[in-house]
Amino acid sequence: DVKVTQSSRYLVKRTGEKVFLECVQDMDHENMFWYRQDPGLGLRLIYFSYDVKMKEKGDIPEGYSVSREKKERFSLILESASTNQTSMYLCASRPQSRREAFFGQGTRLTVV
Amino acid sequence: QQQVKQSPQSLIVQKGGISIINCAYENTAFDYFPWYQQFPGKGPALLIAIRPDVSEKKEGRFTISFNKSAKQFSLHIMDSQPGDSATYFCAAYYNNDMRFGAGTRLTVKP
Repeated sequence: DVKVTQSSRYLVKRTGEKVFLECVQDMDHENMFWYRQDPGLGLRLIYFSYDVKMKEKGDIPEGYSVSREKKERFSLILESASTNQTSMYLCASRPQSRREAFFGQGTRLTVV
Repeated sequence: QQQVKQSPQSLIVQKGGISIINCAYENTAFDYFPWYQQFPGKGPALLIAIRPDVSEKKEGRFTISFNKSAKQFSLHIMDSQPGDSATYFCAAYYNNDMRFGAGTRLTVKP
């Protein structure tokens, strides 16, 4: 079974803090993605990575950065958290050879 | 700019009824159209998918209908069950470009 693990289920941070969301996959997938999920807006792509140290901006990259130093790990960084970044964050991975994406269980982040 | 438009936002169906969720897309380069199912507290999981060279795909009670000329596709859930209550997302892919609809919250009443 493919496993995509996000480090925290729930997180509460203060405005202005630097926040790290970690995602690890155990199936040697080339591609990894970060989405945020908001009611009525669905899943919006923040960043994706198709290889180690490679990254591409998605639709809403402002206020976020990412890091992929190892193939299995993809980190989302909120440089200075703001209340409008309160959301559910979903990590996904996908092998280059297949179309199916595998999602983690999500991290519900609240910025106060 | 929402490249995949999904409707309705929410749907209530009686047990045994048919649930229908619709999606429309803009980019004709999309070449893979999956549906994901998400239960509360879980990440989305692939339910069924179709490629544009096929007009229909059926897996058990779940069917995707695809209309390439209209750039529309839909999910039909036959004999809907309370266990089908979840949020459903349509998506459209081209290479690493994966775009999702806004989601439909389905409630199946017993």
